[in-house]
Parts: sequence; C-alpha cells; structure tokens
Amino acid sequence: NAGVTQTPKFQVLKTGQSMTLQCAQDMNHNSMYWYRQDPGMGLRLIYYSASEGTTDKGEVPNGYNVSRLNKREFSLRLESAAPSQTSVYFCASSEQGEVTEAFFGQGTRLTVV
Amino acid sequence: GQQVMQIPQYQHVQEGEDFTTYCNSSTTLSNIQWYKQRPGGHPVFLIQLVKSGEVKKQKRLTFQFGEAKKNSSLHITATQTTDVGTYFCAGDPSGNTGKLIFGQGTTLQVKP
Repeated sequence: NAGVTQTPKFQVLKTGQSMTLQCAQDMNHNSMYWYRQDPGMGLRLIYYSASEGTTDKGEVPNGYNVSRLNKREFSLRLESAAPSQTSVYFCASSEQGEVTEAFFGQGTRLTVV
Repeated sequence: GQQVMQIPQYQHVQEGEDFTTYCNSSTTLSNIQWYKQRPGGHPVFLIQLVKSGEVKKQKRLTFQFGEAKKNSSLHITATQTTDVGTYFCAGDPSGNTGKLIFGQGTTLQVKP
C-alpha cells in the first residue's frame, strides 16, 4: 500500500500564480486533512473533510480552497499565491472512531517568490 | 482560540541521558496523540492517550495524560541517536474527530 501520496514534492510559484496540491490515500479512510508546517509553529490545520462531499475550515483557511473529489482524493488550491503561503504542506488521512491516528503524506515544499 | 503549548522547543542531550517534553492545552482534550518527525520527513504516529491519568509505555518511551486531560508528557529513557527528531503532541478537543491541534514541537538532538 502506498498510504498517502502527495504531488508535487517541491514547487516554486510567483506571487499571484495559482496551483493545486494533489493528495490521494488508499486506506479507505473517511477523514482527510490539509496542514501547513512553518518553523516553530507546529502543524496548523487548513481544511478538513470528514467524508466525501463535505469540507470544513480549520485554523488557517484564508487563501485556500479544497475539493473532496471522492473518498480517495482531497486537493488544496491556492488561487493567488502570496509569500506568506511559503510553507511545507502535509496531507493526512484517518479513520473516525476510537483511535484517530493520522497518516501523513511526504509533504509539498512550496516557495512563493 | 484553543491552543496546545509544548516545551521545551529544543533539547540537546548526550547519548544515554533521559529526555522529557511537556504539553499543555488551554482546554480539556478528548484525547492526545504524539508524533515523531525525522529531519526532512513527515510526522509519524507514536501513540494516542484517551483516559484521564493514563500512562503508556513503548520500550524506552513513556507517555502520560494528565488527570484533568489538559496536559501530557513524553519521557525517553537512555536516549539513542535514533531518537533524533521533532516530537509533537496533538490534542483533539472535539471528541474523536481527528481535527488535531498540534503543539509547536520539541526538537531533540542526541550527541553520541
């Protein structure tokens, strides 16, 4: 099993450009998440999807949109990138229930210049 | 908003010394999880604690959840160079939704 797969691994954008980060999981999990990780700040939740067709804002949703295309895929879109969005982005998935262990993808290192 | 604070931010130890990181939440948590992230890697789940006062051990790692379910700690006995990385606590205040609030992490360096 591949687990959680994110693409791309690295990306450089110019201010104002748009892009979509792709995420897919093969563990049949209902819940999927997008986090960003900045130095000294841990991981912060951007958006969350409890199931196919549902999405919910996390702690830092401004400047982002998401799509839960199906149970496997959860994409994150930056419509107009800003330097403040330079970060490492992690997609994760988990099952709902007693143990909500999150499985993370390898991350996307995004630089906005 | 809800916050999870983690200290210390950095810790350098000599191999064989013990290490502890502490986590405090501003609100009561449904559960708390611990993750380890190696340099350049992604967070990897270590454990989840659910019950008030719970203590769990994994070999040299001991995890505790406070009586009030607002604080937690991770203790590593006799550190090894393979323990190097950043340790994060992550609290779920909302009742097993998986929507985690992460602490800032403690980065552990181990000198051989």
